[in-house]
Amino acid sequence: AQRVTQPEKLLSVFKGAPVELKCNYSYSGSPELFWYVQYSRQRLQLLLRHISRESIKGFTADLNKGETSFHLKKPFAQEEDSAMYYCALIGGSARQLTFGSGTQLTVLP
Amino acid sequence: EAGVTQSPTHLIKTRGQQATLRCSPISGHTSVYWYQQALGLGLQFLLWYDEGEERNRGNFPPRFSGRQFPNYSSELNVNALELEDSALYLCASSPIGRAPSGANVLTFGAGSRLTVL
Repeated sequence: AQRVTQPEKLLSVFKGAPVELKCNYSYSGSPELFWYVQYSRQRLQLLLRHISRESIKGFTADLNKGETSFHLKKPFAQEEDSAMYYCALIGGSARQLTFGSGTQLTVLP
Repeated sequence: EAGVTQSPTHLIKTRGQQATLRCSPISGHTSVYWYQQALGLGLQFLLWYDEGEERNRGNFPPRFSGRQFPNYSSELNVNALELEDSALYLCASSPIGRAPSGANVLTFGAGSRLTVL
């Protein structure tokens, strides 16, 4: 079975402060990991995926297979980063994207 | 390029009735996924269709069913509606079906809000 855990339901940081959204996963094989974001009154959209190794909107995420984690980080948070962030995993041929419960990030001015 | 479109935006039904939700994927995408986003329960995987076939199913009762048409659009049917079926139903599409691939990214629609009274 595949499972994604986001331990923080709510996270508040001040503008300019570093932010880290935690994600841990459980999967016996080699998964694909993603971060999706949902801004207020917008659709759920892909933020980044681990295979791309890219930085989107200043966010990065590194897959740590030893710790089975895929934490999302940004060195300097901006107010426009306030949103709901979901970590997600696809494993195997079932192509089932399993989501974590989400973390609501609020960046305070 | 048009995104994933879903209809209706809102739907109100009473217990015991049936609801039908529709989804049109992005042009060229053959896979359609359905998710339920109920309050407090997060995003739960419902169904995956690819090339007209049901490929995978989440942990939902059989009264949740659907189909995919030759043009790759999809329908989700919920029979014998219960109060706890009230939720936002999200449809997503992707261009790649069965083969695992790093390019398998889901694009989501805006959702259909189902309210069961």
